Amino acid sequence: TQLLEQSPQFLSIQEGENLTVYCNSSSVFSSLQWYRQEPGEGPVLLVTVVTGGEVKKLKRLTFQFGDARKDSSLHITAAQPGDTGLYLCAAGAGSYQLTFGKGTKLSVIP
Amino acid sequence: EAQVTQNPRYLITVTGKKLTVTCSQNMNHEYMSWYRQDPGLGLRQIYYSMNVEVTDKGDVPEGYKVSRKEKRNFPLILESPSPNQTSLYFCASSFRIQFTTSTDTQYFGPGTRLTVL
Repeated sequence: TQLLEQSPQFLSIQEGENLTVYCNSSSVFSSLQWYRQEPGEGPVLLVTVVTGGEVKKLKRLTFQFGDARKDSSLHITAAQPGDTGLYLCAAGAGSYQLTFGKGTKLSVIP
Repeated sequence: EAQVTQNPRYLITVTGKKLTVTCSQNMNHEYMSWYRQDPGLGLRQIYYSMNVEVTDKGDVPEGYKVSRKEKRNFPLILESPSPNQTSLYFCASSFRIQFTTSTDTQYFGPGTRLTVL
């Protein structure tokens, strides 16, 4: 099973600031997903990236898949309190299993 | 509405008392899986199923059983629960697991919080 390292583990920022969350591995991924999970709920898929170098934007969120398909980043511009939550990356390597990172807990303070 | 449902949402039980957590999806998905989520350990896959009557172990299968007799249902069975199985459990489903396109989506249920005393 491949390991996914997410950093930072915790992040507390003021409303309006920018932030970046990272997801890294020594393995090559066939695809990578980002989820957001709010307390008491299941993770909700934000995006799936499948092509090395791919950049996808979802309003204020920008997702990037590394050229070598071993890493990914999530950048949030002008964070809002509604962005608060646990951000998880998950990757597949062509098998039927998905591996999740341990997550980044984001708090956006009004 | 596309959804994954789990029951019960909360369960407190005692060591050794068999229990089943049900999971059902209404999207005709082939792939379903069970995860447990623990502080500091993240989401870990317990079992997954590629289709009816096809199941396989994930990363932490010990102490759990599953069955897939119908496409929509994927129950998680704890034959003899122990305190180390106290956790938050999630069922998930997707059309396929090999996410080869950017539109492939995995849906999670709302979670079942299990406490084993």
